[in-house]
Amino acid sequence: DQQVKQNSPSLSVQEGRISILNCDYTNSMFDYFLWYKKYPAEGPTFLISISSIKDKNEDGRFTVFLNKSAKHLSLHIVPSQPGDSAVYFCAASGNTGNQFYFGTGTSLTVIP
Amino acid sequence: DGGITQSPKYLFRKEGQNVTLSCEQNLNHDAMYWYRQDPGQGLRLIYYSQIVNDFQKGDIAEGYSVSREKKESFPLTVTSAQKNPTAFYLCASTPGQGSSYEQYFGPGTRLTVT
Repeated sequence: DQQVKQNSPSLSVQEGRISILNCDYTNSMFDYFLWYKKYPAEGPTFLISISSIKDKNEDGRFTVFLNKSAKHLSLHIVPSQPGDSAVYFCAASGNTGNQFYFGTGTSLTVIP
Repeated sequence: DGGITQSPKYLFRKEGQNVTLSCEQNLNHDAMYWYRQDPGQGLRLIYYSQIVNDFQKGDIAEGYSVSREKKESFPLTVTSAQKNPTAFYLCASTPGQGSSYEQYFGPGTRLTVT
């Protein structure tokens, strides 16, 4: 059973606008959440993370929001750039950090 | 440069043959992981190792085997028992339990079995 879900397989956004990628999880023991960016035929690269003691974390154009009561997190990219076009995975782990659970990914296309 | 290397990038094998995928890291990380990615699916954990000479099964370990004889190396063998071996395989590492949880990934190996 998928413990981390990304229900939108794809998203298209105009350059300069905001991209919002969503992620839901089912396990209330998860306390650390990460977003990765992946290009075809390459390994994912880490973007941004958030621990369960926070509800927001910012890094430049990227902001992650965490709503623990809804078991939902989102990644905001503002402003979106064509180079942001990639597949974005969210991931979650428990307090041991032994295993990471990944969503199925959302393919973002930023249209120039 | 520190990082994770996986070789080869593309690998072709005949059905019934075992094949070993290489993963090496020079980040001095304690923990290493193997994932499999299939089209339209997320990364699924095959095996992970927190320390040398110790490893645990992930969600889809059947048909795979690993070893961790050295801290920097975590090879994955895809055996003939794996029913659908064709996939993109990713190796990752983290500094270890209690430190940063960010995973560093290698470039991946695409295995095709015919």
